[in-house]
Formats: sequence, structure tokens, C-alpha cells
Amino acid sequence: NAGVTQTPKFQVLKTGQSMTLQCAQDMNHEYMSWYRQDPGMGLRLIHYSVGAGITDQGEVPNGYNVSRSTTEDFPLRLLSAAPSQTSVYFCASSAHNEQFFGPGTRLTVL
Amino acid sequence: AQSVTQLDSQVPVFEEAPVELRCNYSSSVSVYLFWYVQYPNQGLQLLLKYLSGSTLVESINGFEAEFNKSQTSFHLRKPSVHISDTAEYFCAVSEGGSNYKLTFGKGTLLTVNP
Repeated sequence: NAGVTQTPKFQVLKTGQSMTLQCAQDMNHEYMSWYRQDPGMGLRLIHYSVGAGITDQGEVPNGYNVSRSTTEDFPLRLLSAAPSQTSVYFCASSAHNEQFFGPGTRLTVL
Repeated sequence: AQSVTQLDSQVPVFEEAPVELRCNYSSSVSVYLFWYVQYPNQGLQLLLKYLSGSTLVESINGFEAEFNKSQTSFHLRKPSVHISDTAEYFCAVSEGGSNYKLTFGKGTLLTVNP
């Protein structure tokens, strides 16, 4: 099993550009989540999904969209990037009261 | 809504010394508690968790944490640290058995010096 995979590992955007952060898991987990990690802030929940077709907002959802068309994939979309979205983004899938994290995407918005 | 407070942002210690990383939480319902570790430039790995039962939980690499309901704490301890324990440690809580919504503390950077 590859576990949770994220692409790309690094990305630089200009303000106003759009992009999609990809996340996939091969563990057949129903639950998936997106977090952002900022220095001194810990991880904060952006969006989460409890199954295909079902998503909901977390603590910091503004500026981000998600969809869950399959159990395996949970992409995170930035429609119009802003410098405040410079961060490290982690995707996680969970089952049996344990979250499994991907390696992260480091995003810089200029 | 739940919240997590990690009282120390940085903890420097010498190798083979004991260490305690402090974590307090607030919640109006029952919670599950977790400690995650993040090594430099890596993702998070689960270190240990408390769901129910014995209030003392242990990890495979010598860490332990004790759930104290009256003090709403879940402090992480290790009697003798190694250089390889240098990492950032995050305490997290989920409410009411939620499996997918974790609230994290801000993290504690443990630096083990020779």
C-alpha cells in the first residue's frame, strides 16, 4: 500500500492563480481531511469528507473548495490564490480512530 | 468547541535526560486524545492515543502519556531521550468519537542535544 499520496510536493503560484492539490489513498478509508500547517499555529482543518459525495467545512475553509467523487481521491482547489494561503498542506485519511497523513505539499503564493 | 493548549513551544534537553511535554485540552463532551510526531520535512505520524480504558498509554519507542480527566491534561513523557527524538510533537483531540476532525495544539519542538 502506498498509503496517502499528495502531489505536487512543492508549488509556487502568483496571486490570483488557481490550482488543485491532489490527494489519494489506497486504504479504502471513508474519512478524508485537509489541513494546513503554519509556523506556530499547529494544523488547522480546512475541509473534510465522510464518504464519496459528502464534504463539509472545517475551521478555515475560506478560499478553498473540495469534492469527493471517489473514495480514493480528495482534491483541494484554490480558485484564486492569495499570499495568506502560503502554507504546508496535509491530506489525511482515517479509520479506527487513527489519521494517516500524506507527506505534504509546500505552497508559496507570491 | 474543543481546544488544545501546548504550554511549551520549545523544549531543549540533553541526551538521556527525562522529558515531559505538556498538553491541556478543553471540551464539553467526551474526547479522544492523540500525540503526533513530525520529523523535519516529513508528515505527521501517530505516536500514541487514548480512546478509553487505562489512562496510561505507551508507544513502541518509550514514550507514554497519561489521561487526567480532572485536570483535562494528556502530558507526554519519556524517561530517557535520544538524539533521534528531536522532532515537533503535536497534541490533538477529537470530540465525541469523531474520526476525521482533529483539533491540534500549536506544537512543541523537542530538541535533544548531545
